[in-house]
Amino acid sequence: NAGVTQTPKFQVLKTGQSMTLQCAQDMNHNSMYWYRQDPGMGLRLIYYSASEGTTDKGEVPNGYNVSRLNKREFSLRLESAAPSQTSVYFCASTSGRVPYEQYFGPGTRLTVT
Amino acid sequence: AQSVSQHNHHVILSEAASLELGCNYSYGGTVNLFWYVQYPGQHLQLLLKYFSGDPLVKGIKGFEAEFIKSKFSFNLRKPSVQWSDTAEYFCAVNAAFGNEKLTFGTGTRLTIIP
Repeated sequence: NAGVTQTPKFQVLKTGQSMTLQCAQDMNHNSMYWYRQDPGMGLRLIYYSASEGTTDKGEVPNGYNVSRLNKREFSLRLESAAPSQTSVYFCASTSGRVPYEQYFGPGTRLTVT
Repeated sequence: AQSVSQHNHHVILSEAASLELGCNYSYGGTVNLFWYVQYPGQHLQLLLKYFSGDPLVKGIKGFEAEFIKSKFSFNLRKPSVQWSDTAEYFCAVNAAFGNEKLTFGTGTRLTIIP
């Protein structure tokens, strides 16, 4: 039981390049989330998916797109990377049972130059 | 919408000192409350949670937190810290009914000096 996995662990992009961050969970969770973590700002929600086939914007969605490929997988795409997107990205999932605690992946450290 | 305040941005303590990290939330309804810990270079792990019952909850590694509804607070405590407690600590809240999304505080960095 691997929990929540993310790939890649590190990535360096040039401004304007695109990439997709992958996330998968093997806990049969319905809801999945993408966050970014920046110093002094905590975790901010980018997008979430309450179930397969549905996605919704979070607090900071601009510049990102997501795909809930199936119940296990939730990917985050940067179409045209900008230096402001330099951050650590975390994927999380929750069982949908009270109190809805979230389980986090190991993170992707992204640098955009 | 909920919001969470963690007023201590960086706390430095010596080993064996007692710890209390503040967390206040803003929300008009019933909430679930969480403390997560992030050790250097690692992902967030659940330390403890409150959703009903005894407002004093105990978590892993000797941590505990007390929910005081009248003060909208959920402070984290540990009687005697260890060097291995050096980490960043995040308080989080969600609505008890309906909306499962978590709102996080900005985090408190804890440094323990041996």
